[in-house]
Amino acid sequence: DAKTTQPNSMESNEEEPVHLPCNHSTISGTDYIHWYRQLPSQGPEYVIHGLTSNVNNRMASLAIAEDRKSSTLILHRATLRDAAVYYCILRDPGVIQGAQKLVFGQGTRLTINP
Amino acid sequence: ETGVTQSPTHLIKTRGQQVTLRCSSQSGHNTVSWYQQALGQGPQFIFQYYREEENGRGNFPPRFSGLQFPNYSSELNVNALELDDSALYLCASRRSGGSYNEQFFGPGTRLTVL
Repeated sequence: DAKTTQPNSMESNEEEPVHLPCNHSTISGTDYIHWYRQLPSQGPEYVIHGLTSNVNNRMASLAIAEDRKSSTLILHRATLRDAAVYYCILRDPGVIQGAQKLVFGQGTRLTINP
Repeated sequence: ETGVTQSPTHLIKTRGQQVTLRCSSQSGHNTVSWYQQALGQGPQFIFQYYREEENGRGNFPPRFSGLQFPNYSSELNVNALELDDSALYLCASRRSGGSYNEQFFGPGTRLTVL
């Protein structure tokens, strides 16, 4: 499984944008980049995913470098509810039919200051 | 609220005992995975079930086994419990097929082995 590297922790202020980086220098051409987050005392929840192009949804934006060796999850206006551990995960959907194996690293613990 | 439920929420067992954890998938989801999350770590993939058969397994010994039922609910069984089995056990379900279907995680079962 290709490896991702994320900072252990980050801190930001409420209502400010947050940029969460992820390095994945060994990414293969068929790996999708996924982001999940885990709020305190909850299971992980899906945030966003992409392959090559930048992606936007109601929760966040995903900016993918042209060489795909890094990506950035962008929370446009952080709220206190965004305090969580954010995981950047690579997954090749073709490895096993129907596979949904996610390989989680340590993630980035995001703290939001009021 | 993901529609994935797990029971029990907490459980205390002693070393050598056996335990069964249960998961009810979101309606329409035919694929379920189980993960183990030790304190301070990211979740680790145990195995996946699709159409009542195991079709993917992580680096876990055979004393970790599972079942998926026709209604797509699932069980995780762990025999001969060890102290290191103390962790949060998460199940995740999704609908197989299509270009991408995100995983929906339950809140987990906290297992303590004494």
